[in-house]
Amino acid sequence: QKEVEQNSGPLSVPEGAIASLNCTYSDRVSQSFFWYRQYSGKSPELIMSIYSNGDKEDGRFTAQLNKASQYVSLLIRDSQPSDSATYLCAVYPNDYKLSFGAGTTVTVRA
Amino acid sequence: ETGVTQSPTHLIKTRGQQVTLRCSSQSGHNTVSWYQQALGQGPQFIFQYYREEENGRGNFPPRFSGLQFPNYSSELNVNALELDDSALYLCASSFGSETQYFGPGTRLLVL
Repeated sequence: QKEVEQNSGPLSVPEGAIASLNCTYSDRVSQSFFWYRQYSGKSPELIMSIYSNGDKEDGRFTAQLNKASQYVSLLIRDSQPSDSATYLCAVYPNDYKLSFGAGTTVTVRA
Repeated sequence: ETGVTQSPTHLIKTRGQQVTLRCSSQSGHNTVSWYQQALGQGPQFIFQYYREEENGRGNFPPRFSGLQFPNYSSELNVNALELDDSALYLCASSFGSETQYFGPGTRLLVL
């Protein structure tokens, strides 16, 4: 079983719609969870971090965490063409190693 | 911009050669982690350096080695390059086990 799994995508949404990205993780002791955005040919850029169960909102982005279900999600509201990128879910299963999912590619159609 | 820098940006090597990649961490950060990202995949953890010592290692062979210097900058060395080593190499800096911020990466092509 992979440490971090994401819905495979690609995900295509119309401009202005909500994009919903899902991630599950295998290590129950994980305490820190991150979403990174990666544009084609660029490095990952942190967009959200979440540590407690529930929702965390930052502008058009909302991260949701459910530790009992070992599930993290990211909602992008009012999607814009500039949101077209690969979104990487990352988990800290221990104090030093970030484990990443394979990423979900999002395309926002104008 | 994260303040993390990497050099070079691109590199072409042939099988069997050796390569050194460099990373300067963000001001105030004392920890550097290295990742390998193959095309279409998520980054894979290589190792982490904290206070000039290796603090953890992923599933990579010993020909992948590293260093951290007193100013917290770091090097990744890869010996006996193989075709499968072609990837984007990412350096991330952090303050201990806090959030990691990535540099722009070095794209390595092994022919």
